Amino acid sequence: AQKVTQAQTEISVVEKEDVTLDCVYETRDTTYYLFWYKQPPSGELVFLIRRNSFDEQNEISGRYSWNFQKSTSSFNFTITASQVVDSAVYFCALSEGGPGNTGKLIFGQGTTLQVKP
Amino acid sequence: GAVVSQHPSRVICKSGTSVKIECRSLDFQATTMFWYRQFPKQSLMLMATSNEGSKATYEQGVEKDKFLINHASLTLSTLTVTSAHPEDSSFYICSARAHEEVYEQYFGPGTRLTVT
Repeated sequence: AQKVTQAQTEISVVEKEDVTLDCVYETRDTTYYLFWYKQPPSGELVFLIRRNSFDEQNEISGRYSWNFQKSTSSFNFTITASQVVDSAVYFCALSEGGPGNTGKLIFGQGTTLQVKP
Repeated sequence: GAVVSQHPSRVICKSGTSVKIECRSLDFQATTMFWYRQFPKQSLMLMATSNEGSKATYEQGVEKDKFLINHASLTLSTLTVTSAHPEDSSFYICSARAHEEVYEQYFGPGTRLTVT
């Protein structure tokens, strides 16, 4: 069965600190997709990144970076020089891939990040 | 980018009444739409998957007679919570997927339902 685990329930940092949000997944599929979403207090999900199972390249986008390691089934997310506006709940999610995939997203429990000024 | 809207954004209803939530894809045709429910401080849980013109597929534990889903067109899906009770109070989020982007879902802004 597919599963996503975000072991960190809440993280609190001071502005300008770097912070890493952990995500560990389980799947038997060889083709799958991993996602990160941000959910600010307004509730609307903001898409951050999608990565497919065949692309293990790490990615950097501004202050955000992602480390995908199939060997440890992890897809961790790092925010460099955090800002107060980064305060939100962050979800890691997994979707099965391949022919006939349903597109269902399995979400982790979410990590609440609080960045204090 | 692809835009998905939901209406209403907030709704308060009395126990025993029914409420309908609309999910629209504004600038693309959504062959598949998903409905999620999120309780306070919890994760999103998939309720059902609907494909245009066919019956919705419900996840285990979701009552299909209570949560009626209709995907009548390629741009509109509706979720009707029938005979709502306070325990149905939640944040309902829809997402839509275009046929040609099988790995991408676009999320609506969500509907906060409060049943009194």
